Amino acid sequence: DTAVSQTPKYLVTQMGNDKSIKCEQNLGHDTMYWYKQDSKKFLKIMFSYNNKELIINETVPNRFSPKSPDKAHLNLHINSLELGDSAVYFCASKDSDSNQPQHFGDGTRLSIL
Amino acid sequence: AQSVAQPEDQVNVAEGNPLTVKCTYSVSGNPYLFWYVQYPNRGLQFLLKYITGDNLVKGSYGFEAEFNKSQTSFHLKKPSALVSDSALYFCAVRDRGDKIIFGKGTRLHILP
Repeated sequence: DTAVSQTPKYLVTQMGNDKSIKCEQNLGHDTMYWYKQDSKKFLKIMFSYNNKELIINETVPNRFSPKSPDKAHLNLHINSLELGDSAVYFCASKDSDSNQPQHFGDGTRLSIL
Repeated sequence: AQSVAQPEDQVNVAEGNPLTVKCTYSVSGNPYLFWYVQYPNRGLQFLLKYITGDNLVKGSYGFEAEFNKSQTSFHLKKPSALVSDSALYFCAVRDRGDKIIFGKGTRLHILP
């Protein structure tokens, strides 16, 4: 009964390819996020959706496009992958009460060859 | 904008000793502060939060944190460290629009 689940856990692909990472939460939360964690473990927010609506869109290349088919899912599609995209990508979700903590998935480790 | 700083990249503590992981914050308005822990190959797990009220906040796994307004600090503490506490710890602050800003993380090593 994983609360926030991401697939795949590992993704190894060639530069220039297009790939997607999926995220699903079964907590009934309204808000979902995508974060990027680099090799130095620095965690940076990329996007946030609330009830399928884009709320936060940080300075992220437009090769990255989030899609939220419903409030329980937030997928991340990446076009024309570059070496610098190698990182661990975390999905998170949160209740609409702004003082509640975020719940994180276990991450997708993306490696670009 | 809100921010948090974790001045130590790494903290080493002998098992059984008390531990402290430091965090200072810079906010406009009331601070909403969090601590999270990350174990290898896992996502972040929530430990505790300060919103308002008592300055000493108790959280999961025996951790607590002390909110100090005059020193703008929110240090994480535990009276007696366990080897299993070894992990990466993140301090965080809530920014506008439900955004959470994370510190750079502090790696905690508990030595047996």
